[in-house]
Amino acid sequence: NAGVTQTPKFRVLKTGQSMTLLCAQDMNHEYMYWYRQDPGMGLRLIHYSVGEGTTAKGEVPDGYNVSRLKKQNFLLGLESAAPSQTSVYFCASNQAGAGYTFGSGTRLTVV
Amino acid sequence: GEDVEQSLFLSVREGDSSVINCTYTDSSSTYLYWYKQEPGAGLQLLTYIFSNMDMKQDQRLTVLLNKKDKHLSLRIADTQTGDSAIYFCAESSIKAAGNKLTFGGGTRVLVKP
Repeated sequence: NAGVTQTPKFRVLKTGQSMTLLCAQDMNHEYMYWYRQDPGMGLRLIHYSVGEGTTAKGEVPDGYNVSRLKKQNFLLGLESAAPSQTSVYFCASNQAGAGYTFGSGTRLTVV
Repeated sequence: GEDVEQSLFLSVREGDSSVINCTYTDSSSTYLYWYKQEPGAGLQLLTYIFSNMDMKQDQRLTVLLNKKDKHLSLRIADTQTGDSAIYFCAESSIKAAGNKLTFGGGTRVLVKP
């Protein structure tokens, strides 16, 4: 009963470093999403994917890249981390309709 | 684009009812949701309502939807200290690309004993 798994759960980066967050789902969902959560601002959509090999920009895409090479995985990359990217990142998946499954989050601090 | 608004904070006494309000702008919203987030935790789906409904009840939770005014509310009956959390309103539309969820900023609910 894994659902959506995010790795890592915590990470501290120095400004300018790069990293990749991994999201994996085992429900064969077509749609996958990356959100960031900042205090008082709810969750804002960074990028999303409507199927294997496709990606699209969300509300706050700058500074991030994504890839969906396999249907079950959605990767979020930070090429050159900035302190403004300190946040909690959530991945989610959906198969149309109302059922969204969220991962447990990745807490990222950029110093 | 779509916008979802919520008040920031609500304080309530244990045993009273809580009402959390939300407004949205997307007239093509298909589903509207309430999520709960406890400190340091992920998102827990509490309930959702289809846009052609005006009310949904699930144990202590009652959701009211006024589609004309684009207003959604969540009533928690007999509020307990374990209900202290941040509550997020969200909406999705099957007409929108990617069936994206759009969230409000969250309402922090504090339950006082």
